[in-house]
Amino acid sequence: GAGVSQSPSNKVTEKGKDVELRCDPISGHTALYWYRQSLGQGLEFLIYFQGNSAPDKSGLPSDRFSAERTGGSVSTLTIQRTQQEDSAVYLCASSLVQGNTYEQYFGPGTRLTVT
Amino acid sequence: AQTVTQSQPEMSVQEAETVTLSCTYDTSENNYYLFWYKQPPSRQMILVIRQEAYKQQNATENRFSVNFQKAAKSFSLKISDSQLGDTAMYFCAFMKIGGATNKLIFGTGTLLAVQP
Repeated sequence: GAGVSQSPSNKVTEKGKDVELRCDPISGHTALYWYRQSLGQGLEFLIYFQGNSAPDKSGLPSDRFSAERTGGSVSTLTIQRTQQEDSAVYLCASSLVQGNTYEQYFGPGTRLTVT
Repeated sequence: AQTVTQSQPEMSVQEAETVTLSCTYDTSENNYYLFWYKQPPSRQMILVIRQEAYKQQNATENRFSVNFQKAAKSFSLKISDSQLGDTAMYFCAFMKIGGATNKLIFGTGTLLAVQP
């Protein structure tokens, strides 16, 4: 079946602009995660959605970052007033949290470059 | 807080040889999973293998196997019969089970180069 998809693949934006990154999880997966991969910080957890529960936003680095998940499926990560330090690869993952199944399956990521 | 340490930033192995990547972690939790992910230049993170902490038997997936030493908090990955397609960044990851968030905590990665 189809894996996790993300769009756009690459995004170049000017400092101060807002950007939206999209994630389509694997159909039927109830959990969705956003991570950030940067040279200085490695791989960091950003936010977690599970079903209808309130999301865990504990990894968001600032209030310029927000995310939503509509209809329990597609998710959008929004970064407002982008800064150069936001440049990174943003990875989305989904999983079927059921029984002993916890594996997360990742999308190809969106490379964000803030100029 | 949990931490994951990969002490080998880069490694190299000849094709068909065996290589072991190291990973240690620190946690006070008892219920957790450990994973190895592979990230080739294409950027796609691919799950290689997982280990449940409650299982004593080491996980194996074809040419990939782990040496899980729970008391020592060590979780190394052995790649047998290395192939050119194994060239990638390898990340060790920890996941606490049963908490509010099943987030992955990653190590800094080991860049593996398989030489022809």
